[in-house]
Amino acid sequence: DADVTQTPRNRITKTGKRIMLECSQTKGHDRMYWYRQDPGLGLRLIYYSFDVKDINKGEISDGYSVSRQAQAKFSLSLESAIPNQTALYFCATSDPRDRRSTSQPQHFGDGTRLSIL
Amino acid sequence: GQSLEQPSEVTAVEGAIVQINCTYQTSGFYGLSWYQQHDGGAPTFLSYNGLDGLEETGRFSSFLSRSDSYGYLLLQELQMKDSASYFCAVRDSSYKLIFGSGTRLLVRP
Repeated sequence: DADVTQTPRNRITKTGKRIMLECSQTKGHDRMYWYRQDPGLGLRLIYYSFDVKDINKGEISDGYSVSRQAQAKFSLSLESAIPNQTALYFCATSDPRDRRSTSQPQHFGDGTRLSIL
Repeated sequence: GQSLEQPSEVTAVEGAIVQINCTYQTSGFYGLSWYQQHDGGAPTFLSYNGLDGLEETGRFSSFLSRSDSYGYLLLQELQMKDSASYFCAVRDSSYKLIFGSGTRLLVRP
């Protein structure tokens, strides 16, 4: 089983719809992140959360909201989807207590491919 | 502002050595990470440099010069499976990552 699970893996929807992307993890990590990946632009941070009570905006948070329901769950919502939000979305986790603490590697889910028509 | 620059594409021959460079302009720099992403896959962590110098992990090495705001990823004994995109990412003081646009590496037989 994957340590970081994203659902759905693919979604096609229409402009104006509300969409929720879900992320759950079994790694026991406190820190969770949502990224968006567009061709040629790398990964850009949308929101991040360092624990259940901590939510922070990233580089491109406009048009998105998040909910950290539990340590293991972090959801991303598009309240009213628009076509330029078509992208590949990744959830990631990291652990400040990682034995490689200086590196703080992030562990990514397999992504959600979202298309908005 | 924060920016990272890396070449968009590199081609090399199986068995050869390739170097992927990354220059950065960021505030609150804490270290440089490298991630690999195969087409359709998730990014996976490769290497991290918090201090100047070379870090070696098997066939992969990564280098950092903080005074030059420059780093590179060195891949030796290239294999076909190394064909992928490689991202450098700066870690800031709050443990966020800022990613470069990625370098697509094509390994030819």
